[in-house]
Amino acid sequence: DTGVSQNPRHKITKRGQNVTFRCDPISEHNRLYWYRQTLGQGPEFLTYFQNEAQLEKSRLLSDRFSAERPKGSFSTLEIQRTEQGDSAMYLCASSLGDRADTFGSGTRLTVV
Amino acid sequence: GEDVEQSLFLSVREGDSSVINCTYTDSSSTYLYWYKQEPGAGLQLLTYIFSNMDMKQDQRLTVLLNKKDKHLSLRIADTQTGDSAIYFCAENNNQGGKLIFGQGTELSVKP
Repeated sequence: DTGVSQNPRHKITKRGQNVTFRCDPISEHNRLYWYRQTLGQGPEFLTYFQNEAQLEKSRLLSDRFSAERPKGSFSTLEIQRTEQGDSAMYLCASSLGDRADTFGSGTRLTVV
Repeated sequence: GEDVEQSLFLSVREGDSSVINCTYTDSSSTYLYWYKQEPGAGLQLLTYIFSNMDMKQDQRLTVLLNKKDKHLSLRIADTQTGDSAIYFCAENNNQGGKLIFGQGTELSVKP
């Protein structure tokens, strides 16, 4: 297991299109987190799963955003009708228990 | 509310010590973390400290925690040019483990 894997690394999309990102956590980790990082800022929490249950969603996660973790393993984050303000780095992290310390390399989204 | 604050920039000479400071507000945090981020990369965990500890040392890194003042610092001894990066302080939310990050301190190491 080589850590948390995110795909794609980069995504350029036109405004109004839908995009989907994938995160593969460390295999024995039961918790999975999504964060968003804009330029010059620290990461901001979006949502997290314990196994397949989505336990918390940030107010940043508008109705256009949806995340799933159907089998308690990998997760997807979908953004519908993308806007320029969605341009950011989307980071995934996983943990076993409360200590969320392993991050993926992120997916950089550019909306043009 | 939850808030983590850091100074934005720090510049040091190679071989000197660097001290990056952070203040946080959530006194119920169980862990406090330091992450490193290089340009275009994800977050690399450097070290963390339990909230019941005052100090933790790990090779060139020393973390000091003052719970009374809600102040956390990271000292890097013998700073090298490869240490140039953005350093993030983070506290964990006691409900579920989500992290609250500061805005990051950009460390510049001059030869």
